[in-house]
Amino acid sequence: EAQVTQNPRYLITVTGKKLTVTCSQNMNHEYMSWYRQDPGLGLRQIYYSMNVEVTDKGDVPEGYKVSRKEKRNFPLILESPSPNQTSLYFCASSPGSREVSEQFFGPGTRLTVL
Amino acid sequence: AQKITQTQPGMFVQEKEAVTLDCTYDTSDPSYGLFWYKQPSSGEMIFLIYQGSYDQQNATEGRYSLNFQKARKSANLVISASQLGDSAMYFCAILNRDDKIIFGKGTRLHILP
Repeated sequence: EAQVTQNPRYLITVTGKKLTVTCSQNMNHEYMSWYRQDPGLGLRQIYYSMNVEVTDKGDVPEGYKVSRKEKRNFPLILESPSPNQTSLYFCASSPGSREVSEQFFGPGTRLTVL
Repeated sequence: AQKITQTQPGMFVQEKEAVTLDCTYDTSDPSYGLFWYKQPSSGEMIFLIYQGSYDQQNATEGRYSLNFQKARKSANLVISASQLGDSAMYFCAILNRDDKIIFGKGTRLHILP
């Protein structure tokens, strides 16, 4: 089954404790991205990746890191989480950036930073 | 800078009526794409429709159509014959030349029985 998986689905952590949210897709997609969703603000793109070893900043990259060492995985790293990073995070993938109609979203990760 | 504006935070519509969700955008790129997603209360993101800036005809997908008015920089979503299952959050988004995707803040649609 074609899918994007994210782990964990829910996470409560404390300020400053490094964490990683994993994202994996099984469709051999080239384009992957991370979004955060906050009430009243919609979805905002954090980082995106056109292919392996190619990553670019989205609209709100501060406080986040990503890596794309393999095509299927695109982890989101919060080196020192802060309460303003409490949010719902989505990972998404598509064959290429132009194929938005084939963009698959993961189920979301709800992160709370205390 | 690219920008998407959805001016309707919430809408209430009677079942079976047509719905128009507004979306205006701002971009200086000649080539871009506009699309809409639906997010039901369960949280998943569901792709609805896409319109390329060079597409001559308005995009349609079943009950969904995109009213693309390039000169006015608007890309409104029209849902014909609304159903209770259409109650959800709807997001308009733009894909620009450097492959960034920018979403609007969304419109929450409530379909009334």
